[in-house]
Amino acid sequence: QVQLVQSGAEVKKPGASVKVSCKASGYTFTSYGISWVRQAPGQGLEWMGWISAYNGNTNYAQKLQGRVTMTTDTSTSTAYMELRSLRSDDTAVYYCARGDHWFDPWGQGTLVTVSS
Amino acid sequence: DIQMTQSPSSVSASVGDRVTITCRASQGISSWLAWYQQKPGKAPKLLIYAASSLQSGVPSRFSGSGSGTDFTLTISSLQPEDFATYYCQQANSFTFGPGTKVDIK
Repeated sequence: QVQLVQSGAEVKKPGASVKVSCKASGYTFTSYGISWVRQAPGQGLEWMGWISAYNGNTNYAQKLQGRVTMTTDTSTSTAYMELRSLRSDDTAVYYCARGDHWFDPWGQGTLVTVSS
Repeated sequence: DIQMTQSPSSVSASVGDRVTITCRASQGISSWLAWYQQKPGKAPKLLIYAASSLQSGVPSRFSGSGSGTDFTLTISSLQPEDFATYYCQQANSFTFGPGTKVDIK
């Protein structure tokens, strides 16, 4: 079955970087884009950006431009999201999701905690 | 940027009730709209795409309608497993609505 499996929880200090992975299985990886969506505690869903697994083209949310980089490794069917200069308000569950317009399925989520 | 709003922000309902949630886009988006269900501690689940197409495996009590700027998600007969938060999403710029929590009356 189609599945996205994400890396484990991270605890980071303010100013550090985090890199979350998302390994896809059950479909042709290069046939779909991958989006990243985050959810702060008790809050709604915030789209962070999208990457084409076919050619690596990216589209980032304006709010995160300059701090986020999304990449893929087609040899391992894995997508990555790196967020730099972390702040306390980056504390959230980070999800990857397959799709170029609507998202299905989603990864299980990765909790990133930013705390000094 | 296209902004998405949802109403109500929360609704209390009973099993068997018909529940309707509205989503509005700040400008026309044709049928580029999706609906998701999220339960506490879980990833969102796609229910409806292209405004009115039911995702495979989703019960037929869920339906979507609308185009342009105004959209609705309807649950025809609320079941215990439907108590959750529902989000709309504009499917071109990917903006999500703020969510509607459906809880037990």
